[in-house]
Amino acid sequence: EAGVTQSPTHLIKTRGQQATLRCSPISGHTSVYWYQQALGLGLQFLLWYDEGEERNRGNFPPRFSGRQFPNYSSELNVNALELEDSALYLCASLARRDGDTEAFFGQGTRLTVV
Amino acid sequence: GENVEQHPSTLSVQEGDSAVIKCTYSDSASNYFPWYKQELGKRPQLIIDIRSNVGEKKDQRIAVTLNKTAKHFSLHITETQPEDSAVYFCAATFYTGGFKTIFGAGTRLFVKA
Repeated sequence: EAGVTQSPTHLIKTRGQQATLRCSPISGHTSVYWYQQALGLGLQFLLWYDEGEERNRGNFPPRFSGRQFPNYSSELNVNALELEDSALYLCASLARRDGDTEAFFGQGTRLTVV
Repeated sequence: GENVEQHPSTLSVQEGDSAVIKCTYSDSASNYFPWYKQELGKRPQLIIDIRSNVGEKKDQRIAVTLNKTAKHFSLHITETQPEDSAVYFCAATFYTGGFKTIFGAGTRLFVKA
């Protein structure tokens, strides 16, 4: 079974540009989470999509947005990039089993804003 | 809003010693508490979990305890080994029209040989 895949693995952008990050969940998983992990820090919740709809978003400005497609893959868009947006962006899809959920993470996209 | 606090942020132990990481959650509706391990340069992976109707769960050298009244849960690693060195994240999951998982900030564990 293929795991969660993210693309690209690395992305370099300049300030003010836009970045688009992509995530494909494990087949059959309908829920996708996006997290930001700045260097040396923890996982900051960004966005949660389920069944094509945005269910919740973290404490991030509106220039962080995304969507989920009918095949449950997802895009994260970051507009007007700032230097502090440089981080590892992790996508996770969730498996539901008996009321529990296990998050399977992709390998991440490392975004560098220069 | 929902929050998970994790302590300590950094923990250094001697090989063979025990390590304990503690988390506190805010939403009493949380009913599932997974722990993830992230090795350097790798993605987080589930290592152990506990449900709200269980007080303790053990898997070899790793154990988790849960105090639902106090909204505390902890990860215990015994006989630590250098390969246990990693960042550990606790999380709390609850249902709000769908399952939502909130992660702690992480604990960087160093096991010195």
